[in-house]
Amino acid sequence: EDKVVQSPLSLVVHEGDTVTLNCSYEVTNFRSLLWYKQEKKAPTFLFMLTSSGIEKKSGRLSSILDKKELFSILNITATQTGDSAVYLCAVEAGNQFYFGTGTSLTVIP
Amino acid sequence: DVKVTQSSRYLVKRTGEKVFLECVQDMDHENMFWYRQDPGLGLRLIYFSYDVKMKEKGDIPEGYSVSREKKERFSLILESASTNQTSMYLCASHGYDYNSPLHFGNGTRLTVT
Repeated sequence: EDKVVQSPLSLVVHEGDTVTLNCSYEVTNFRSLLWYKQEKKAPTFLFMLTSSGIEKKSGRLSSILDKKELFSILNITATQTGDSAVYLCAVEAGNQFYFGTGTSLTVIP
Repeated sequence: DVKVTQSSRYLVKRTGEKVFLECVQDMDHENMFWYRQDPGLGLRLIYFSYDVKMKEKGDIPEGYSVSREKKERFSLILESASTNQTSMYLCASHGYDYNSPLHFGNGTRLTVT
């Protein structure tokens, strides 16, 4: 059975801290891994990763994929209160998308 | 920019009512999906569609049906709403391009009383 597991389930940090969110997966016909940020509305797209070892970066956020060990990490440096959200990992396999249950990040001022 | 539009942000319905949730995308995407999202359970796939008039059951299709008469529109139907269908419903679309992410609508928060 295809599955995506995220850890930790939740995280509370102080502003300025650096956090690492984890996503491991077991799927057949892997095509891509995606990260989304969800506040109190629909998920917004952050990154799409298809190749191992190539870091994607956007401001303070970065992500990398390891297709041999079947995981990805999402790093957020110098966290701000606006980073508080649920971060979702999804894996595209075949024509479907499989989601983890998300990591809830709370950044305290 | 891809736009996926869900007809309602908030909806309150009574038990037993027939409920229609509409979703329209403007990027000529082949694939469209309906998910529901509940605390602690994440996103669960209800139905998806690869093309007009085609539909496939997802993980939790019971109590739901769908309609895709036009490529841009994918409707989710609750034949007889029940309180356990109170949830956030998310529509998404995806093209066959290899580097195309899944695009979400704004979601419909449905409450069944």
